[in-house]
Amino acid sequence: EVQLVESGGGLVQPGRSLRLSCVASGFTFEDYAMHWVRQAPGKGLEWVSGISWNSGSIAYADSVKGRFTISRDNAKKSLYLQVNSLRGEDTALYHCAKSSVGYTSSPAEYWGQGTLVTVSS
Amino acid sequence: DIQMTQSPSSLSASVGDRVTITCRASRTISTYLNWYQHKPGKVPNLLIYAASSLQSGVPSRFSGSGSGTDFTLSISSLQPEDFATYYCQQSYSNPLTFGGGTKVEI
Repeated sequence: EVQLVESGGGLVQPGRSLRLSCVASGFTFEDYAMHWVRQAPGKGLEWVSGISWNSGSIAYADSVKGRFTISRDNAKKSLYLQVNSLRGEDTALYHCAKSSVGYTSSPAEYWGQGTLVTVSS
Repeated sequence: DIQMTQSPSSLSASVGDRVTITCRASRTISTYLNWYQHKPGKVPNLLIYAASSLQSGVPSRFSGSGSGTDFTLSISSLQPEDFATYYCQQSYSNPLTFGGGTKVEI
């Protein structure tokens, strides 16, 4: 059974940083691209970032480019999102999601429950 | 970036109705179009990928069609468990983008 468990969220002041983590199990992590997708309160889904199976291809939404950094450690079956210079509009539930293939331009077929990031002073 | 526009943003329907949701891309995306169902308190569920391929385990009352810029998601006979918000997503090019969602209500 595919399992994705996120952690690292919390209440943080504007301008500060967090590191979100996602631990995967139930599949061969190193074979698949991974995504981060967020949903702000009362809003729709927003794709944030994606990383290919070998980290050779990485992409970001325009809204986070230059502030967020995605990475993965295949040995640890873990996905990360370093979120810097946080803004109020970054407040959201952040999901990690498993792609259906190894490259980033692919659908998210399994999702974690998410970790909540709240940016407020 | 490719913009995805869904319509309607919400609709009211009854059990047994046929429901159709449309999604338009700002430029051609071939058939790199996915549909998700999202219920409150649950994680999104991939229904359709590559415009018309049914994800494993998804009931056959769901179907997708289209190519280029115009796509549709159809539910042939709406069931009580289908009341949710539906999102399209293009996976043609990075950054991947979602439509704004269509809330299907009773």
